[in-house]
Amino acid sequence: EAGVTQSPTHLIKTRGQQATLRCSPISGHTSVYWYQQALGLGLQFLLWYDEGEERNRGNFPPRFSGRQFPNYSSELNVNALELEDSALYLCASSLGGTLKAFFGQGTRLTVV
Amino acid sequence: QKEVEQNSGPLSVPEGAIASLNCTYSDRGSQSFFWYRQYSGKSPELIMSIYSNGDKEDGRFTAQLNKASQYVSLLIRDSQPSDSATYLCAVNIGGYSTLTFGKGTMLLVSP
Repeated sequence: EAGVTQSPTHLIKTRGQQATLRCSPISGHTSVYWYQQALGLGLQFLLWYDEGEERNRGNFPPRFSGRQFPNYSSELNVNALELEDSALYLCASSLGGTLKAFFGQGTRLTVV
Repeated sequence: QKEVEQNSGPLSVPEGAIASLNCTYSDRGSQSFFWYRQYSGKSPELIMSIYSNGDKEDGRFTAQLNKASQYVSLLIRDSQPSDSATYLCAVNIGGYSTLTFGKGTMLLVSP
């Protein structure tokens, strides 16, 4: 069974541009979580989607947004990129109503 | 007050020893607790979950939970050099169906 898959693996963008990151959850999982892992800061919760709806949002500015599609895949959009947005962005999925989350391999975003 | 706290380490143990990793959390109402292992440059891998007070064993790993003391730990028996990684504690804080992570403890197992 395929795990959580994220694309792209690496992404290099210029300050001010927009980045789109994609995530496909494990089959049967309806919840998708996005986390940011910047160097030395640990995993910071960004967004949680379940059944197509945004259920919770972490302490990030509105330029971080996303959506979940009918097939439960998700995308994270980061607008007006700043240098400090450089980080590993991790997507995790779980069965709806549970917190047992499994992570994808991550997207390494570098803003130059 | 930090919500999920872990000693950053590194925790150094010799091969074959027991490694003990600790985590405290701020929310007395938390119900779900997880341990993840993260190798350098890789994504976190779920290794243990625990929901009730007491011990839960899975192979060489034992998770221990004490809700009264707001404390969860992970024991790794017969530690191997391949266990060298950062171990992340994750807890649901504030009644939300999302996980709050500690910053992790780096474990180094020497041959």
